[in-house]
Amino acid sequence: AQTVTQSQPEMSVQEAETVTLSCTYDTSENNYYLFWYKQPPSRQMILVIRQEAYKQQNATENRFSVNFQKAAKSFSLKISDSQLGDTAMYFCAFMKGGAQKLVFGQGTRLTINP
Amino acid sequence: NAGVTQTPKFRVLKTGQSMTLLCAQDMNHEYMYWYRQDPGMGLRLIHYSVGEGTTAKGEVPDGYNVSRLKKQNFLLGLESAAPSQTSVYFCASSYRPGQGHGQFFGPGTRLTVL
Repeated sequence: AQTVTQSQPEMSVQEAETVTLSCTYDTSENNYYLFWYKQPPSRQMILVIRQEAYKQQNATENRFSVNFQKAAKSFSLKISDSQLGDTAMYFCAFMKGGAQKLVFGQGTRLTINP
Repeated sequence: NAGVTQTPKFRVLKTGQSMTLLCAQDMNHEYMYWYRQDPGMGLRLIHYSVGEGTTAKGEVPDGYNVSRLKKQNFLLGLESAAPSQTSVYFCASSYRPGQGHGQFFGPGTRLTVL
């Protein structure tokens, strides 16, 4: 069974700094997808970014980018020029290709300080 | 386009009472999911559906039942609520998860069982 591990329960940075959230996963599959979700205090889960395992190029969405290391089974999220609105829980998630279910990590609580 | 909506947003039950949570999506997604979120445990899948008229068990199905009579709706029922079911419940939907489409989440329902 696949597992997703987020080793940083909490992180805190100053506004405008760059922060990197870690995620590792365990799978024997070769075809899969990885996601980062954001959950702000409003509780709404928001998809931030996704990565296809067969693509070597790291995904980027504005200030959000990933560092996908397939051999190391690592999928970290980098937030550049952090903003107060980035304060949230961040969840890393894994889905096997052709599957129907996401496997979530435990989450990292990120606080952006003014 | 409302996305994924959940009814109600909050509910307090007494032990042994029953209730139904309603999830509706207007994106014509085939796949729908029910999760629960507890502090420090991330999201856990309760039940899911791969299409109208179908349901399947997730990671923590005991004490819950579901129905998918219409494609746009996915109902989660608690027949006899227990304090252990105090949680935040999220509904999600997806187009083709096996092809890497992310899940879209509703705003959540906070349920307290006394």
